[in-house]
Amino acid sequence: NAGVTQTPKFQVLKTGQSMTLQCAQDMNHEYMSWYRQDPGMGLRLIHYSVGAGITDQGEVPNGYNVSRSTTEDFPLRLLSAAPSQTSVYFCASSRTGEESPLHFGNGTRLTVT
Amino acid sequence: QKEVEQDPGPLSVPEGAIVSLNCTYSNSAFQYFMWYRQYSRKGPELLMYTYSSGNKEDGRFTAQVDKSSKYISLFIRDSQPSDSATYLCAMSADNYGQNFVFGPGTRLSVLP
Repeated sequence: NAGVTQTPKFQVLKTGQSMTLQCAQDMNHEYMSWYRQDPGMGLRLIHYSVGAGITDQGEVPNGYNVSRSTTEDFPLRLLSAAPSQTSVYFCASSRTGEESPLHFGNGTRLTVT
Repeated sequence: QKEVEQDPGPLSVPEGAIVSLNCTYSNSAFQYFMWYRQYSRKGPELLMYTYSSGNKEDGRFTAQVDKSSKYISLFIRDSQPSDSATYLCAMSADNYGQNFVFGPGTRLSVLP
C-alpha cells in the first residue's frame, strides 16, 4: 500500500516555464488536495477536489491549474512559473465523513530561478 | 491575528524529558483537532486526532483540547531522539479537508 505518491521529488524551473506535479493515491479517497509549505507560513491550500470531475480553489490558487479525471490522480499544473512559486508542494488525500484526517505525500521541492 | 498560532521554536530538550507543544486558535467553531509530525524532507504524518474537548492518549503521546480557552496541547513523555521533527497542529470546524487550518509548526530537537 503506497499511500500518496508524488513525483518528481525535486525540480528546478526557469521563470516562465510550465510543468506538472504528479500526485497519485491508492486508498480510494474521494478528497484530494494540493498545499504549498513556506517557512513560517504553515500549509496553505492551493486547490482541492471532492471527487472525479470536481475541483475548486483554495486559499492561494493563482498561477496553478488542476484537473481530476480519475479518483486516483490529481495533477497540479504551473502555467508560467515565477520565483514566488518556489516552495515545497504537498499532495494530500482523505475519505469524506467522520474521522477523516489527511494523508500526505512526501512533497515536491520546486525552485524557480 | 492568525487563525491558528503556534510557537515556532526551535525547542531543544534532553532525552527523556516531557515535552509540551501548544497551539492557540481564534475560531470557536473548531471542533476537530489534529497533530501531525513532519520529519525533515518528508510529508506530515498524522499523530493524534481528537474531536471536541478532553484528553486522548496514545503511547507516549497525549493530546489535550481546552475549547473554553481555545488552546490545544501535545505532550510527549520520555522523549527520544527519534521524536526530533516539526510538529504541526491542525483544526477544522466541519472535518472537511478543504477547511483544515494548519499552524506553522514547532521544530523540536531531542538531544541524546
